[in-house]
Amino acid sequence: QVQLVQSGAEVKMPGSSVRVSCRTSGDAFSIYAFSWVRQGPGQGLEWMGRIIPTLGSANYAQMFQGRVTMTADRSTTTVYMEMNDLRSEDTAVYYCAVMRSLYYTPHDLDVWGQGTSVTVS
Amino acid sequence: DVQMTQSPSTLSASVGDRVTITCHASQGIYNSLNWYQQRPGKTPQLLIYDVSHLERGVPSRFSGSGYGSTFNLIISSLQPDDIGTYYCHHYTNHPPGSDFGQGTKVE
Repeated sequence: QVQLVQSGAEVKMPGSSVRVSCRTSGDAFSIYAFSWVRQGPGQGLEWMGRIIPTLGSANYAQMFQGRVTMTADRSTTTVYMEMNDLRSEDTAVYYCAVMRSLYYTPHDLDVWGQGTSVTVS
Repeated sequence: DVQMTQSPSTLSASVGDRVTITCHASQGIYNSLNWYQQRPGKTPQLLIYDVSHLERGVPSRFSGSGYGSTFNLIISSLQPDDIGTYYCHHYTNHPPGSDFGQGTKVE
């Protein structure tokens, strides 16, 4: 069973940056695309983009273009989401996920990390 | 981006009720539509993919229907475990993209 283990909660100042990590197994790292989804307090789900570690390529939702960078480290089988120029409205829980429908190659897995709380204040 | 609009925003129902949640897309999206359930304090769980396919382990009281721009999630007999928020989810892979509805809270 694929597991996604995310880093711990962060408290950041406005204008600073945050990097959230998502660690998985070696097999999963090589096979899947990893999406990032955020959820503001009492708000809905917002897809931020995805990265395919085996290709090293990332695609971003338009509203996050230029402010978010997704990377992957093969040596630790970890994917990262870094956001710059943080604002109070970026306060949210950030999830990494292997989503069944946003795939690199088709698969039947849909697994989410436990979420990382980021507070900008 | 495709705008996904769900109705109602909140739904109050009793155990055993038949519940229908509707999702409208701002343009035709063929069958690229999933449904997620998020129980309070939990991570989202995929219920239905590609409009009508039940994810493994999901009870058969859940079903999905629709095509083009209007889709429905139906719970045939509401159970206490079904309390939570439901999101429709549109996706594309070429190029990759994704849009969620604003959610329907089931009380």
